[in-house]
Amino acid sequence: NAGVMQNPRHLVRRRGQEARLRCSPMKGHSHVYWYRQLPEEGLKFMVYLQKENIIDESGMPKERFSAEFPKEGPSILRIQQVVRGDSAAYFCASSTTQGLTDTQYFGPGTRLTVL
Amino acid sequence: GENVEQHPSTLSVQEGDSAVIKCTYSDSASNYFPWYKQELGKGPQLIIDIRSNVGEKKDQRIAVTLNKTAKHFSLHITETQPEDSAVYFCAATGQFYFGTGTSLTVIP
Repeated sequence: NAGVMQNPRHLVRRRGQEARLRCSPMKGHSHVYWYRQLPEEGLKFMVYLQKENIIDESGMPKERFSAEFPKEGPSILRIQQVVRGDSAAYFCASSTTQGLTDTQYFGPGTRLTVL
Repeated sequence: GENVEQHPSTLSVQEGDSAVIKCTYSDSASNYFPWYKQELGKGPQLIIDIRSNVGEKKDQRIAVTLNKTAKHFSLHITETQPEDSAVYFCAATGQFYFGTGTSLTVIP
C-alpha cells in the first residue's frame, strides 16, 4: 500500500508565477489536509478537504491560495502570483475518517522556492 | 481554538540516556494526542499516539504519558540512539494544532 504521494518534491517559481502542488492520499483515504512549514518552524494547518468538499480552510490565506480535491485525481494546492514569503515546505496528509481522532499520514512534502 | 505549547525547543542527550519532551494544551475537549518524528528533508512520521481514555502507552523505547487534569502530555525516549536525532512534534485532537517542535540531538 503506497503512502501519501506528493509531487513535485521541489518546485522553483519566480515572483508572480503560479505554483501547483499535488497530493495523492493513501489508498482508501478520503480526507486530505494541507500544512505549511517555514524553515525552523512547526507545521501550520492550511486546509482540510474531502472529495469535492472543502471542510475547513481557516488556515489558508484569503488571497492567492486555493485548494481542491476532485472526485477523480489528486488534491491540488494552488498558489497564484507567488511571492518570496511563500517559500516553504508544503505537506499533505491523509486519513480514513474525520481527522479529529483519526491518524493522519504525511507525504514527503513539496519544497517551494520563490526567486 | 486549541493552543499547544512544546518544550524544550532543543535537546541534546548522550547516547543511552533518556529524553523527555513535554506539551501542554488548552482545550479540555481534546482527546487525541499523536507524536510525530521528522527527519531532515522528510515528512512527519507518526511514532506513537495516545487517546484520552488512557494515561500511558508504551512501544519499545518510546512511551507517552497523558495528564488530562493538568492538560499536558509527554514523550519519553529511553536508551537513545543516534538515529533518534530528529525534530519531534506533538499535536492535540484535530491535529490541526501542532507544537512548535523539539530538535533532539543524540550525541554518540
